[in-house]
Amino acid sequence: SQQGEEDPQALSIQEGENATMNCSYKTSINNLQWYRQNSGRGLVHLILIRSNEREKHSGRLRVTLDTSKKSSSLLITASRAADTASYFCATDAGGTSYGKLTFGQGTILTVHP
Amino acid sequence: NAGVTQTPKFQVLKTGQSMTLQCAQDMNHNSMYWYRQDPGMGLRLIYYSASEGTTDKGEVPNGYNVSRLNKREFSLRLESAAPSQTSVYFCASSDWAWGGGNNEQFFGPGTRLTVL
Repeated sequence: SQQGEEDPQALSIQEGENATMNCSYKTSINNLQWYRQNSGRGLVHLILIRSNEREKHSGRLRVTLDTSKKSSSLLITASRAADTASYFCATDAGGTSYGKLTFGQGTILTVHP
Repeated sequence: NAGVTQTPKFQVLKTGQSMTLQCAQDMNHNSMYWYRQDPGMGLRLIYYSASEGTTDKGEVPNGYNVSRLNKREFSLRLESAAPSQTSVYFCASSDWAWGGGNNEQFFGPGTRLTVL
C-alpha cells in the first residue's frame, strides 16, 4: 500500500511563480524525502527532513514537516521551465525498515515559460 | 563514476518468456532495491537487499526473483513473464546500514519492459 498521498496530482504554473506540493502519510516515520523525476528518467533525490526537524531549505526548495498532522510540503520558489517534472515524497519508517522507502503517487508539475 | 547502471534500457517479451534485468552501482553502497513504476501508481518496491548476501521481499514480489551477486550487482529475474509485468523497472542503491548510514537513494535510468 502507498504510504504517501500527494496533492495536487497535477500543478500548472507560470515561470517565476511558486509551486507548493503536499504529502500526507499514515504511520510514524524516521525521515521523509522528496525526489524529482524528469520524463523518462530515474528519480533524483532533492532533500531529506528528519522527524525531529520542522523545516529545511536547499537553494530554491523549502520543505516543512508536521509530524502531528503526518504531512509535509515542498515549496519551489521562483520556478523555472526546467523545474517541469514529477515530484514524489517518500517516507522511511526507520527501525527494521532496512532503509526502505514508501513512495507517494507524485505531483506532476508543469512550468510554462 | 557512473552511479547506478541498468541493462537493458528497453525489452519486449512474449508471455511466458524469461529474462534478467541487471543493475550495478559503483558507490560502494550496502543496500540495493528494485522498484516498478506504473502509471498513476508511483513506485512500488519489489525486492531489496540490505547488505551483500541478503535479500527480502518488498510490496509486490510475486512473479520475480532476485540475486545479490556481490556488493555491486543486484539482478531481477522474471521467470515466466505476464502482461501484468509490463512496467518501468528501476534499480536504486543507498548507503543505509544498521546503526547509521544515509538512506538517500540513487536511481538508475530504468528498464522499460513490455510483455505481449
